[in-house]
Amino acid sequence: KAGVTQTPRYLIKTRGQQVTLSCSPISGHRSVSWYQQTPGQGLQFLFEYFSETQRNKGNFPGRFSGRQFSNSRSEMNVSTLELGDSALYLCASSLSGLSARETQYFGPGTRLLVL
Amino acid sequence: AQKITQTQPGMFVQEKEAVTLDCTYDTSDPSYGLFWYKQPSSGEMIFLIYQGSYDQQNATEGRYSLNFQKARKSANLVISASQLGDSAMYFCAMREGLTQGGSEKLVFGKGTKLTVNP
Repeated sequence: KAGVTQTPRYLIKTRGQQVTLSCSPISGHRSVSWYQQTPGQGLQFLFEYFSETQRNKGNFPGRFSGRQFSNSRSEMNVSTLELGDSALYLCASSLSGLSARETQYFGPGTRLLVL
Repeated sequence: AQKITQTQPGMFVQEKEAVTLDCTYDTSDPSYGLFWYKQPSSGEMIFLIYQGSYDQQNATEGRYSLNFQKARKSANLVISASQLGDSAMYFCAMREGLTQGGSEKLVFGKGTKLTVNP
């Protein structure tokens, strides 16, 4: 079974631009979560989608948004990029998020550099 | 307050020896899950092992085992017979709120960088 895939793997943008990242979960997984990883703040939860609905949200500004499609694929959008948005963005999928034993499986991440 | 604390920023171990990576957690929820992930320099987070708060036995997965001490709120990862390929960042994570029907949010520690020396 194929793992979680993320595209693109690397991105370079300039301040003020916007960016869209894509995540395809493991087949059969309906929950997709996004995390931001920076050297200073570590791994921080952005949001989680299930059945095309945002079910959980972290403490990030409204510039960070996402959506999920009917095939469970998810996109994350960051508008008006700031230098501090430079990070590794990780996507994770799991079956439903409703079982204590469910594991989140992560993709390889998208490295975003904002200049 | 930190929910997950990993007090060892870096650890060194000789190849073929065992190593313990520390993790303590803080939660008032009786139902929670604890996870360990490995992150090589490539960036991908690789799931290693899981321990549920109601599990009676310590989890084991191949060379990985979890020393779960619920009263002390610790969930230390033990890697036996270290290999050069084990050199990576290791993260402890927790998921709470499971008694309310589930929450996908994982809270991570700051990580421990493990270096395996030949």
